[in-house]
Amino acid sequence: EPEVTQTPSHQVTQMGQEVILRCVPISNHLYFYWYRQILGQKVEFLVSFYNNEISEKSEIFDDQFSVERPDGSNFTLKIRSTKLEDSAMYFCAQARGGWSYEQYFGPGTRLTVT
Amino acid sequence: GENVEQHPSTLSVQEGDSAVIKCTYSDSASNYFPWYKQELGKRPQLIIDIRSNVGEKKDQRIAVTLNKTAKHFSLHITETQPEDSAVYFCAASRAAGGTSYGKLTFGQGTILTVHP
Repeated sequence: EPEVTQTPSHQVTQMGQEVILRCVPISNHLYFYWYRQILGQKVEFLVSFYNNEISEKSEIFDDQFSVERPDGSNFTLKIRSTKLEDSAMYFCAQARGGWSYEQYFGPGTRLTVT
Repeated sequence: GENVEQHPSTLSVQEGDSAVIKCTYSDSASNYFPWYKQELGKRPQLIIDIRSNVGEKKDQRIAVTLNKTAKHFSLHITETQPEDSAVYFCAASRAAGGTSYGKLTFGQGTILTVHP
């Protein structure tokens, strides 16, 4: 299984602060995703990113969220002004696309908003 | 949009027994159905998947079946072992490619406990 990496593993922040979560892409994987999992709940889709732009987003992904590849390498999720309810595990996932459908998840970043 | 329902929410079996988890989906355009296993505090790990052009797929002790007409698919684990204990999630998507970007819609998860 391809290895997806994310940093940091755990982030603690105060309400209203900005956080940036990072994901290192796998070569030849063209589709990137961010998912969220609130403790004890199911995994929820946030946004997909293809060809350096957002391809699809959920209703959760409001104006306080953004994604980009600032240096053409790492893939980031930014939350501008965190709220208590943003506390969750955030997973990056990647897929090669084409005939390869599999999505592989990173180890996640546990975000705790206090 | 797609909606995935998963049952049961918890499943308790004895070691060596079989376990079956069922999911239904709503979007007839979905064509890719993966199953993920998630251990406590870990990432969802892809264990098996099936595409809509196949009715059944098997990999050692796990198998998945798909009924496109009824829009449901199931995970079967035979000869369960304590290390199979985890949360299992089904998901559905229109696979990435062309005009589809492959977002996964997950079921609510099944907590499987295998007693030694």
